[in-house]
Amino acid sequence: DVQLVASGGALVQPGGSLRLSCAASGFTFSAYSFNWVRQAPGKGLEWVSYISGRSQTIYYSDSVRGRFIISRDNAENSLFLQMDSLRVEDTAVYYCTRDGAGGIPPFWGQGTLVTVSS
Amino acid sequence: EIVLTQSPATLSLSPGERATLSCRASQSDSSYLAWYQQKPGQAPRLIIYDTSNRATGIPARFSGSGSGTDFTLTISSLEAADFAVYYCQLRSTWPPFPFGQGTRLEIK
Repeated sequence: DVQLVASGGALVQPGGSLRLSCAASGFTFSAYSFNWVRQAPGKGLEWVSYISGRSQTIYYSDSVRGRFIISRDNAENSLFLQMDSLRVEDTAVYYCTRDGAGGIPPFWGQGTLVTVSS
Repeated sequence: EIVLTQSPATLSLSPGERATLSCRASQSDSSYLAWYQQKPGQAPRLIIYDTSNRATGIPARFSGSGSGTDFTLTISSLEAADFAVYYCQLRSTWPPFPFGQGTRLEIK
């Protein structure tokens, strides 16, 4: 079965750092692009970042560009999100998603909660 | 940057009724439109991808349609399990890949 398991969420102070991980299984990880999507408490969904299969293409939303770095390790079937200079408004559940386009359905894992608070 | 606007914000219907949810893009793009269902405390669940393809396990009462800038999710006959928040997302050619703000489908 296809699985995406996000981890690494925690309580962190404003200005702090956190690294999220997403472990993939059940498919050929390197053949797919991935995204991070977040959802603040009681709010809607917000796309955060994208990485292509060989990491040659990377995108960020304006709200995280310059503070977050997306990366992947195809040998370990893992996706990462390095989050620096965290702000209160970064508080959210973070989801890793397998990208979908052109006949390929997207796939979502369960999220991991990041809380930025003093 | 493409913006998605969903309407209505809240839709109040009874079981057995037909639901029509709208998602409008601020500009057209050679892109892919998906619909998600989300219930409290759960991750979003894919309902429709590429505008009109039902995801695995999704019942036939769900259908998607549209093109250009106007897209629709239709639920032909509502069941109790269908009451939730629905989001559309555009997997556009260039980022960002926006979501609509959501439509809350509630029991009347």
